Amino acid sequence: AQSVTQLGSHVSVSEGALVLLRCNYSSSVPPYLFWYVQYPNQGLQLLLKYTTGATLVKGINGFEAEFKKSETSFHLTKPSAHMSDAAEYFCAVSERGSQGNLIFGKGTKLSVKP
Amino acid sequence: SQTIHQWPATLVQPVGSPLSLECTVEGTSNPNLYWYRQAAGRGLQLLFYSVGIGQISSEVPQNLSASRPQDRQFILSSKKLLLSDSGFYLCAWANGASGRIQFFGPGTRLTVL
Repeated sequence: AQSVTQLGSHVSVSEGALVLLRCNYSSSVPPYLFWYVQYPNQGLQLLLKYTTGATLVKGINGFEAEFKKSETSFHLTKPSAHMSDAAEYFCAVSERGSQGNLIFGKGTKLSVKP
Repeated sequence: SQTIHQWPATLVQPVGSPLSLECTVEGTSNPNLYWYRQAAGRGLQLLFYSVGIGQISSEVPQNLSASRPQDRQFILSSKKLLLSDSGFYLCAWANGASGRIQFFGPGTRLTVL
């Protein structure tokens, strides 16, 4: 069965530093890939998605992610962290040819230090 | 534009009491609807999904049930709550036009005491 692994349940960076949140999926056929962000006591908001085409995907709030088939990865990055980026981030996949349900990773909580 | 509503926003219930959480979607038709539960440290767990009125698929066997009495209404219920039912419940929708993107509601925080 498809699975999603987010390495690191907590990541802490300084304001202005690079943000790197890791996501790996398990299927041999590349799925659709998503990153969502969740602020405290709120629902999830889509940051970006990859379906096909260009492997570097740009999202909202300055985030981007790169699909690497050889590494079965879809890591999320942002060149310079802002205090407002503090939130929990979820990677999700949807298998091609499936009904479309999303499988989520367990999330990574990002803290940003001043 | 599409919007998704959930209520109540917060709920504190005693063990053994019933539960009814409601989710409604506006601005789209025939959506797929989803119920997730988020417990501390466990990520999002898909509980139920529905592709149409009266059609419910259960992902995890437990004491919860779901119903879809109208196209844009999704209800999560329980006859008797357990302590382990505490968590943050999220409803989401998607359709063919959304390209598998799921749009989430604001959530309901349930505490079972």
